[in-house]
Amino acid sequence: EVQLVQSGAEVKKPGESLKISCKGSGYSFTKYWIGWVRQMPGKGLEWLGIIYPGDSDVRYSPSFRGQVTLSADKSINTAYLQWGSLKASDTAMYYCARGGDTPLVAWSFRYWGQGTLVTVSP
Amino acid sequence: EIVLTQSPDTLSLSPGEGTTLSCRASQIVDSSYLAWYQQRPGQAPRLLINAASSRATGIPDRFSGGGSGTDFTLTISRLEPEDFAVYYCQQYGSSLPHTFGQGTKLQIK
Repeated sequence: EVQLVQSGAEVKKPGESLKISCKGSGYSFTKYWIGWVRQMPGKGLEWLGIIYPGDSDVRYSPSFRGQVTLSADKSINTAYLQWGSLKASDTAMYYCARGGDTPLVAWSFRYWGQGTLVTVSP
Repeated sequence: EIVLTQSPDTLSLSPGEGTTLSCRASQIVDSSYLAWYQQRPGQAPRLLINAASSRATGIPDRFSGGGSGTDFTLTISRLEPEDFAVYYCQQYGSSLPHTFGQGTKLQIK
């Protein structure tokens, strides 16, 4: 069974750094893209970027490039989303999601993590 | 960036009714790289349709996707109580970022 398990909720202060994780299991971790999606409170879905753990190829949304860093450690089947300096506006639920099986669906998100709630407050 | 505009923003219907949700793109979505997701309150999104018209595994056949180019639709033939949720379209082709529409909220009348 494919599963993506994300790290727990975080409460941080502005200016602090943070790295949240997404551990994949039940499939070959290096062969599927993993994306990250933001959902601010009461709002819609926003695409942050996507990473291919096999070779760490990363594609960022221009809106988030320089604001976040995507990475992956294939030795432990885990993808990461990190911030160097958090802002209050980073408060949101963050989801990781795995891509599909064929080229036509490789970048659509068939499997999702449970979400990590990040709260940034003074 | 491809902007996806969904309509309507909110839809009020009764169980048993059918409906069609719309997703219009500001540019052609190549090769029909268009997906639909359902999100219930407090849950992660769930993939319903990808490649514009291909139902994901385990999705009931009352859900169907269609369209190409810049105009796409999600049709739900007979609404069940669990279908009342928010629906998002997403384009995931070669044009980055892989944007989502703003969502359509389907609520019980």
